[in-house]
Amino acid sequence: NAGVTQTPKFQVLKTGQSMTLQCAQDMNHEYMSWYRQDPGMGLRLIHYSVGAGITDQGEVPNGYNVSRSTTEDFPLRLLSAAPSQTSVYFCASSYPSKETQYFGPGTRLLVL
Amino acid sequence: SQQGEEDPQALSIQEGENATMNCSYKTSINNLQWYRQNSGRGLVHLILIRSNEREKHSGRLRVTLDTSKKSSSLLITASRAADTASYFCATGLEGFKTIFGAGTRLFVKA
Repeated sequence: NAGVTQTPKFQVLKTGQSMTLQCAQDMNHEYMSWYRQDPGMGLRLIHYSVGAGITDQGEVPNGYNVSRSTTEDFPLRLLSAAPSQTSVYFCASSYPSKETQYFGPGTRLLVL
Repeated sequence: SQQGEEDPQALSIQEGENATMNCSYKTSINNLQWYRQNSGRGLVHLILIRSNEREKHSGRLRVTLDTSKKSSSLLITASRAADTASYFCATGLEGFKTIFGAGTRLFVKA
């Protein structure tokens, strides 16, 4: 199993550009989530999904969209990038009954 | 503000010593988890303790949970240089939401 994969590993955007961060898992996990990690702030939950077709907002959802059309994929869309969205983004997945989350390697995003 | 707050923010110890990190949280939880993050890498799950448990062990790790004080502690015994990392507590809430604290940076000197 590849586990949780994220692409790209690194991305530079200009203010106002849009992009999609990809996340996929091959463990048949129902629960997937997106976090951003900023220095000194730990991880903050952006959006999460408890299954295909079901998504909900986390702590910091503004400026981001998600969808969950399949169990395997959970893309995160930045609608109009802003410098405040410069961060490292982590995707995670788990079985709801197990609660332990498996994290991807992260995507470093720089918005100029 | 975040649900979980770790204390201390940073900890430096000698190899062989024990390291204790604390986590306080604000609301009712289903479980509390501890994760480790090596520099520049993703997080790795260490241990989960449920709200009806008080103590749990896994190898050199010991976790306690006091729901009346809304706090938890992670003890790493006989630390090694390889334990150098950031450690995060995460609270599992209703609806499978998991909220992370800001983390404790542990540095173990050889």
